[in-house]
Amino acid sequence: DAGVIQSPRHEVTEMGQEVTLRCKPISGHNSLFWYRQTMMRGLELLIYFNNNVPIDDSGMPEDRFSAKMPNASFSTLKIQPSEPRDSAVYFCASSPGGNVGNQPQHFGDGTRLSIL
Amino acid sequence: AQTVTQSQPEMSVQEAETVTLSCTYDTSENNYYLFWYKQPPSRQMILVIRQEAYKQQNATENRFSVNFQKAAKSFSLKISDSQLGDTAMYFCAFMFSGGGADGLTFGKGTHLIIQP
Repeated sequence: DAGVIQSPRHEVTEMGQEVTLRCKPISGHNSLFWYRQTMMRGLELLIYFNNNVPIDDSGMPEDRFSAKMPNASFSTLKIQPSEPRDSAVYFCASSPGGNVGNQPQHFGDGTRLSIL
Repeated sequence: AQTVTQSQPEMSVQEAETVTLSCTYDTSENNYYLFWYKQPPSRQMILVIRQEAYKQQNATENRFSVNFQKAAKSFSLKISDSQLGDTAMYFCAFMFSGGGADGLTFGKGTHLIIQP
């Protein structure tokens, strides 16, 4: 069974450019989460979706960040314009939803983003 | 809002020893879940063990066990017979159980080094 798939694995781009990170959740999972990991702030929840609907985006740092989930098998996290302080590892995770205590979140391998 | 605190930034033990990682949390909620995730240098996030707050019995998974003290809001991880492959960052995480999925709140992590 395929896990959560994120692309690209690494991204290096210049400040001011648009960055799009992609995620394919595990088939059948109804909940999708985006996290960011930095040395200074650790792992932070950015946004999550249930049944393709954004539920909580309070962790999105600013208007330069946006996330979409057009269907159950695909989500994007976009940064426009990008800044050096956005450099981090971005994780996508999915879970079946429902009785989530017995069905924990499964993480993708992350995208390491470097903004020069 | 809940917070998760891991007071040990780094720990080092000899192979085959037993090690305990500390985690405390703060919440006003009564129903929640607690998790330990492992992040090896490959940066994968791997679920180690989970605990439902309503269960008094401590969770165990092979060499991994927890000491859950709900009144003290403490959730420590014990690794028995430690192995070189246990070397990794370990994150304690909290999730509110309000029905449906919710995001994880992570501690800052403990870097565990198993020495040969």
